[in-house]
Amino acid sequence: GAGVSQTPSNKVTEKGKYVELRCDPISGHTALYWYRQSLGQGPEFLIYFQGTGAADDSGLPNDRFFAVRPEGSVSTLKIQRTERGDSAVYLCASSPSSPGDEQFFGPGTRLTVL
Amino acid sequence: KQEVTQIPAALSVPEGENLVLNCSFTDSAIYNLQWFRQDPGKGLTSLLLIQSSQREQTSGRLNASLDKSSGRSTLYIAASQPGDSATYLCAVGPSGSARQLTFGSGTQLTVLP
Repeated sequence: GAGVSQTPSNKVTEKGKYVELRCDPISGHTALYWYRQSLGQGPEFLIYFQGTGAADDSGLPNDRFFAVRPEGSVSTLKIQRTERGDSAVYLCASSPSSPGDEQFFGPGTRLTVL
Repeated sequence: KQEVTQIPAALSVPEGENLVLNCSFTDSAIYNLQWFRQDPGKGLTSLLLIQSSQREQTSGRLNASLDKSSGRSTLYIAASQPGDSATYLCAVGPSGSARQLTFGSGTQLTVLP
């Protein structure tokens, strides 16, 4: 079976532009997570979806960041007015449903803001 | 706020050695702990998941232990191989309604042939 997929694998944009990052979770997984990883650090939590709704968005750094999951499967992370400090690897993970389920990660999208 | 620390930050060993990677966390109210492997420029591969009620988990040459009361976990790798070279990350999942993992910064392992 297919794992978590993310597109694009790399995204280079200019400061001030808008970007969208896509995550396709493992089929049947109801929980979906977004994390951000800076060089030399572990991933940091951004937002968690259970089904279509954002159950916890406490990790989003500011209101330029927004994520949706309209049909409870694919999710899009949207960043407005990008800043150089947004440059990082954005990782998506999914898990079956229950608390404490193992999380499975995608390959990530490397975002570079020039 | 949960904090996760991994020591050492980097480790280099000759092939065939047994080794231990350490992970400590400040809040013992966890639901589970997960060990991951990350190769350069790649995503995370899950290695082992330990529920808070468990003491250890084994998969092949890997053994992970959990001492929740002392806030510690170890990942033991037996008979290391050059293919084991990667960054190893531990992450704790909280108890309660939160679900997000809190990660350490990882241990970069190099196994020399």
